[in-house]
Amino acid sequence: QKEVEQNSGPLSVPEGAIASLNCTYSDRGSQSFFWYRQYSGKSPELIMFIYSNGDKEDGRFTAQLNKASQYVSLLIRDSQPSDSATYLCAVKHSSASKIIFGSGTRLSIRP
Amino acid sequence: GAVVSQHPSWVICKSGTSVKIECRSLDFQATTMFWYRQFPKQSLMLMATSNEGSKATYEQGVEKDKFLINHASLTLSTLTVTSAHPEDSSFYICSARDHGPEQGSKGYTFGSGTRLTVV
Repeated sequence: QKEVEQNSGPLSVPEGAIASLNCTYSDRGSQSFFWYRQYSGKSPELIMFIYSNGDKEDGRFTAQLNKASQYVSLLIRDSQPSDSATYLCAVKHSSASKIIFGSGTRLSIRP
Repeated sequence: GAVVSQHPSWVICKSGTSVKIECRSLDFQATTMFWYRQFPKQSLMLMATSNEGSKATYEQGVEKDKFLINHASLTLSTLTVTSAHPEDSSFYICSARDHGPEQGSKGYTFGSGTRLTVV
């Protein structure tokens, strides 16, 4: 079992719609969760982080965390073509300072 | 905000030679730095965690004698790929953690990455 799992996609969403990205993790003691956006050939860029159960909103982005079910999701409202990228879910281990990345979900926003 | 400078951004080297990649924290002291490798269309794979003044901790399957990590100061970590071969061609990215709060994103800042091509 992978430590952080994501659907690789590609996920195709029409412009203006809501994109929903999901991630599950195996370490039940994990405490911090991150969503990064990565454009081809570029370094990851932090979109959201969350560490409490529930929802966290920042502009068009909402992160949702459910520790009991060990999943974290990212919603992107009013999707724009510039949102087309690979989205990486990352989890900080409970016992270490490192963060582990999922395999990423490719998102494509079609005009 | 916290900035991590990574150099070079790309490098081409001949098979059998060594390449050094630098990662500097510009406006904060990084107690811990992480080195990742990313192959095309794959995710970031953690190679090692380096702590200032001590030996790096390598992830399973990563050859410590091939990927030498030095973290001699709170602002600089280097990754040296020794005796590089074409299969080492990849995108190498560093991440630095500052003295900031335990929770949240402030502890993890990524460099811009280094594209290594071994010919």
